[in-house]
Amino acid sequence: DAKTTQPPSMDCAEGRAANLPCNHSTISGNEYVYWYRQIHSQGPQYIIHGLKNNETNEMASLIITEDRKSSTLILPHATLRDTAVYYCIVRVPAAGNKLTFGGGTRVLVKP
Amino acid sequence: KAGVTQTPRYLIKTRGQQVTLSCSPISGHRSVSWYQQTPGQGLQFLFEYFSETQRNKGNFPGRFSGRQFSNSRSEMNVSTLELGDSALYLCASSLQDASNEKLFFGSGTQLSVL
Repeated sequence: DAKTTQPPSMDCAEGRAANLPCNHSTISGNEYVYWYRQIHSQGPQYIIHGLKNNETNEMASLIITEDRKSSTLILPHATLRDTAVYYCIVRVPAAGNKLTFGGGTRVLVKP
Repeated sequence: KAGVTQTPRYLIKTRGQQVTLSCSPISGHRSVSWYQQTPGQGLQFLFEYFSETQRNKGNFPGRFSGRQFSNSRSEMNVSTLELGDSALYLCASSLQDASNEKLFFGSGTQLSVL
């Protein structure tokens, strides 16, 4: 079972920031939080990952709470091309590259 | 650098047949994983190979098998196809299989079983 809980869907206005929440209350100290997104019929695309500290790259920012039980992915200026399913994944070190995907959040960016 | 390449992109088979799907990882990547995606079950892990050895296996019947070659390219095989095997099969690669390593996915092979 996935160790994460995400809202099934959310809408966002083009040009505005999109804040995608994720709960992972059972996360362990050495488990990373990863975000991927999948645009219809394509393979998942890596967005960002983090362990404890907040992270930022050219695509997004990841804010992890101090207790690590939840995180938020921020797309600073959503565009129509950001419409996708976004997956929050807790990566278990002992599982290698076995990622357990939940249902994700279906994000629709509207003009 | 070229991304993860999967061939073929689309495939149509009939029940009882077998199928082989191919995956070429990003150059230098030694770990290859396979996933199945269906509308009902979502994305599910099939298996992972690292340096030609299977490291991890998901909860799939023995009809699903795979292998990795010395150049890190990988194939997966499904024998005695069933209608329920219709899915998008995704391959992913990474340098190592450490938990802080990014996994890069290919575009997948869309398999339809008739």
